[in-house]
Amino acid sequence: DVKVTQSSRYLVKRTGEKVFLECVQDMDHENMFWYRQDPGLGLRLIYFSYDVKMKEKGDIPEGYSVSREKKERFSLILESASTNQTSMYLCASSFRGSEQYFGPGTRLTVT
Amino acid sequence: AQKVTQAQTEISVVEKEDVTLDCVYETRDTTYYLFWYKQPPSGELVFLIRRNSFDEQNEISGRYSWNFQKSTSSFNFTITASQVVDSAVYFCALRGPSGSARQLTFGSGTQLTVLP
Repeated sequence: DVKVTQSSRYLVKRTGEKVFLECVQDMDHENMFWYRQDPGLGLRLIYFSYDVKMKEKGDIPEGYSVSREKKERFSLILESASTNQTSMYLCASSFRGSEQYFGPGTRLTVT
Repeated sequence: AQKVTQAQTEISVVEKEDVTLDCVYETRDTTYYLFWYKQPPSGELVFLIRRNSFDEQNEISGRYSWNFQKSTSSFNFTITASQVVDSAVYFCALRGPSGSARQLTFGSGTQLTVLP
């Protein structure tokens, strides 16, 4: 079974803090993705990566950056957290063009 | 541009009823892929099915079935004899053939509640 893990299920941070969300997959997938999920808006893609050290912007990259130093790990960074970044963050991975497998999500609250 | 519409925001049924979740998509690609995911209250999206645009054969998996019709750009999902454990948010998604089009476009989801 594909396993995608995220470092935290719940996280509370203060405005202005730098926040790191970690995602690890164990299936040697090339592709990894970060989404945020908000009520009524569905899932929106923040960033994705097709290979180590490669990244591409998704639909809503503003205020975020990513890092992929190793194939199995894809980190989402909030440089200076703001209250409008309070959301559920979901990581996913896939093998080439196949279906994406998702982690359990991190519910981030920025106060 | 790609778009996925799930017009049903919320559906509520009584256990053992059949229920159909609608999904309509828009794409200019001739080759594309359609997906359904289930998100139970625990939050993790669970992959249910993938369909290629060149394969319109309907699929059945236990109580789940999918009806893909290119003529109407729809990919509907039916749960037969629904159960309380089917309560979840269901997402339909669309992906293009290659390159950056490999990213998924999700619909806004349908919240299904199955009452005992």
